[in-house]
Amino acid sequence: DIVMTQSPDSLAVSLGERATINCKSSRTLLYSSDNKNYLVWYQQKPGQPPKLLIYWASIRESGVPDRFSGSGSGTDFTLTISSLQAEDVAIYYCLQFYTTPQTFGQGTKVEIK
Amino acid sequence: QITLKESGPTLVKPTQTLTLTCTFSGFSLSTSGVGVGWIRQPPEKALEWLALIFWNDNKLYSPSLKSRLTLTKDTSRNQVVLTMTNLDPVDTGTYYCAHRRDGSGWYDYWGQGTLVTVSS
Repeated sequence: DIVMTQSPDSLAVSLGERATINCKSSRTLLYSSDNKNYLVWYQQKPGQPPKLLIYWASIRESGVPDRFSGSGSGTDFTLTISSLQAEDVAIYYCLQFYTTPQTFGQGTKVEIK
Repeated sequence: QITLKESGPTLVKPTQTLTLTCTFSGFSLSTSGVGVGWIRQPPEKALEWLALIFWNDNKLYSPSLKSRLTLTKDTSRNQVVLTMTNLDPVDTGTYYCAHRRDGSGWYDYWGQGTLVTVSS
């Protein structure tokens, strides 16, 4: 199985400041035939299902605020919230779909400092 | 508008079999490229992918759970059924079904989830 490791496990950021979440894969998620990274990012708020934020590692889902961005390739990926808002308090997960079983990171909890 | 809703028992005894139904609308599981997946989440823990069924009835299962899982679909009723045998307390958690975006590998619409507790 591909192991997805997120860091940090939690972080506290002041309102308006940048939050950076990392996700490292035990194997490359870059598929050579289409040059795409098979990784997405989700946001999960308490009592809610996950919400898709980013797909193909860097493409923002429709309706997602542009303060959210994804970057990285191969085995190292980053989700950045450029200016943290109160409504961004949540747990964030990366998911690889390069191979079965699909695997999630352990989650990163983002709070307000 | 795509919606999904999970239904099934909230309490199951150890060793029993769990049957969960995902009822959806806004898409057809007979359309090429479409899939419905199941993901679970133990209380206060991370998400875990369980299984995925495709429009052509191909199925993928988590290798660690494959011997215990069965997926079926009823296209006419817009339902997918997940069966899990030999339940254990560690199977306690919220079970989600989700729509796999056409031709992709990820899930764009999720049900609200159903909490299943395994306890005697």
